[in-house]
Amino acid sequence: AQTVTQSQPEMSVQEAETVTLSCTYDTSESDYYLFWYKQPPSRQMILVIRQEAYKQQNATENRFSVNFQKAAKSFSLKISDSQLGDAAMYFCAYSRWSNSGYALNFGKGTSLLVTP
Amino acid sequence: KAGVTQTPRYLIKTRGQQVTLSCSPISGHRSVSWYQQTPGQGLQFLFEYFSETQRNKGNFPGRFSGRQFSNSRSEMNVSTLELGDSALYLCASSSEFRMGGKRNEQFFGPGTRLTVL
Repeated sequence: AQTVTQSQPEMSVQEAETVTLSCTYDTSESDYYLFWYKQPPSRQMILVIRQEAYKQQNATENRFSVNFQKAAKSFSLKISDSQLGDAAMYFCAYSRWSNSGYALNFGKGTSLLVTP
Repeated sequence: KAGVTQTPRYLIKTRGQQVTLSCSPISGHRSVSWYQQTPGQGLQFLFEYFSETQRNKGNFPGRFSGRQFSNSRSEMNVSTLELGDSALYLCASSSEFRMGGKRNEQFFGPGTRLTVL
């Protein structure tokens, strides 16, 4: 079974600064997908960024970027120029496509606090 | 395009009762997945439906069941409710087609908050 580990239960960053959230995962597969989801107090899960394992280039979405280290099974999220609206729970997730469908395996989450 | 909708948003039940939650996916999405979120266990996969068939199932007891209709709307049912079933139940839909590399991207609904007393 695939496991996803987020070792930082809480992180804090000042507005306009940069913060990195860590995620490691365990899998024996070579083709899979990794995601970072954001869950604000409203509880709405919002996809922040995704990475296909077969792509060597790290994904970026505006102020969000990842550092994908396939051999190390590491998938960290960097948030640049942090904004107050970035405050939320962040979940790292793993998924693999197969004929029996797919499911997201989530980490326990990192609570990000953004201070003015 | 309208997002994933879930009804009801909040529900209070007592132990032993049963409950049915509903999820309407994004138009055109045929895959619907259900997740349970609790403070202790985090986010856990319940099951996935595609074209009215359960295609994948998580490690939950048989009290948790679901179904999908021909219009892709899905329901999940929990029978004989236990206190530990109190959770946020999230539904997510996904397109099966690779469009700009967006296959396997799941879009979540706002969730149904179930409280079991």
